[in-house]
Amino acid sequence: ETGVTQTPRHLVMGMTNKKSLKCEQHLGHNAMYWYKQSAKKPLELMFVYSLEERVENNSVPSRFSPECPNSSHLFLHLHTLQPEDSALYLCASTLQAPGASGDTQYFGPGTRLTVL
Amino acid sequence: DAKTTQPNSMESNEEEPVHLPCNHSTISGTDYIHWYRQLPSQGPEYVIHGLTSNVNNRMASLAIAEDRKSSTLILHRATLRDAAVYYCIFFYNQGGKLIFGQGTELSVKP
Repeated sequence: ETGVTQTPRHLVMGMTNKKSLKCEQHLGHNAMYWYKQSAKKPLELMFVYSLEERVENNSVPSRFSPECPNSSHLFLHLHTLQPEDSALYLCASTLQAPGASGDTQYFGPGTRLTVL
Repeated sequence: DAKTTQPNSMESNEEEPVHLPCNHSTISGTDYIHWYRQLPSQGPEYVIHGLTSNVNNRMASLAIAEDRKSSTLILHRATLRDAAVYYCIFFYNQGGKLIFGQGTELSVKP
């Protein structure tokens, strides 16, 4: 049990659908992250939130829309995705704000997304 | 972006030590070296991190070269549950970003 949960664990959607991924951390952390892990590729950082404010957006297409209503919850809203968006989407959290030396990231189990 | 270089895969026998190497020749003086591992069907989990000195914890040891251009993760006695992809990563002290590479896929034979 890592203290970071993600739902759903698996999601299949069509290109015209709208869906949302949810992440919840029970660790009292102050920063949360979305990563994308495609097959045969390294993890890619997508978004970073610190104290519910977005502090980084790594050139992610607008069909991915994050939301952080409070420090414990993070959402990734998906609409009009492409098949190449199929990947494992991972959420992580850190106790301190991004940039804190040596801070540890705690990852959730991920959502396996398939876009048809 | 700073990059790390790791072998794509390594094999080990159960109960034997494993030394996983990583080269990071472009590392700056304030970048921490982190190691994470990812077991099948799970998210990455933290293993160990360090800046200059060698580090030990209950999971592993981290040996950092004097010039900091390379490091080695040491698993003292590999178990079957240690089979995973191991990532050697920079922690950007200023930006707070973790840049993941391809990692080393470790297989452990009984």
